[in-house]
Amino acid sequence: EIVMTQSPATLSVSPGERATLSCRASQTVGNNLAWYQQRPGQAPRLLIYGASIRATGIPARFIGTGSGTEFTLTINSLQSEDLAVYYCQQYENWPPITFGQGTRLEIK
Amino acid sequence: QVQLQESGPGLVKPSQTLSLTCTVSGDSLLTGGVYWSWIRQHPGQGLEWIGFIYHSGSAYYNPTLETRVSISIDTSRNQFSLKLSSVTAADTAVYYCARENSSFDSWGQGTLVTVSS
Repeated sequence: EIVMTQSPATLSVSPGERATLSCRASQTVGNNLAWYQQRPGQAPRLLIYGASIRATGIPARFIGTGSGTEFTLTINSLQSEDLAVYYCQQYENWPPITFGQGTRLEIK
Repeated sequence: QVQLQESGPGLVKPSQTLSLTCTVSGDSLLTGGVYWSWIRQHPGQGLEWIGFIYHSGSAYYNPTLETRVSISIDTSRNQFSLKLSSVTAADTAVYYCARENSSFDSWGQGTLVTVSS
């Protein structure tokens, strides 16, 4: 099983600033990495797939980078609506498909 | 735009079988390359993949659950279903159905299932 580890667990950022979230895989997943946003009380929403491809309707200020075992989600010009938990997920090697434990993004 | 909707009992007794159905609209379960998935989220916790099924009927499960889980598909009704047997309080969670096309690009709103006597 590929273990996905996200850091930090919680991140507090001021509006207008940049948030940087990290995800590490226990073995290479190539580019088979997705990021999801889960706002309070809502289902997760796909942000990024293929490590760097924005899903339909996702603003350009969400940027995914990385390959292999190290990945980053950068959120520029942070807005209040970005308050959420963010999860990474690998689909390189399954079963099982695995998710990180999440990073909670707080708005200062 | 594809939409998914979970349905089923919100309360299940310990040792019984949890049964949920996902109804899909805006897409066909016969779409090539797409797997139809179940994912759960324990209260205040992260996401756990349960398994998924292809339109052919081929299903894949999380090894931690595979002795208790079964996913089936009814392409004529555009529905797929989850059965989880011998449930305990540890199976209390929000259960989501989702469309998997490499990543999970569409999700249902989720349904809370509580296991309690």
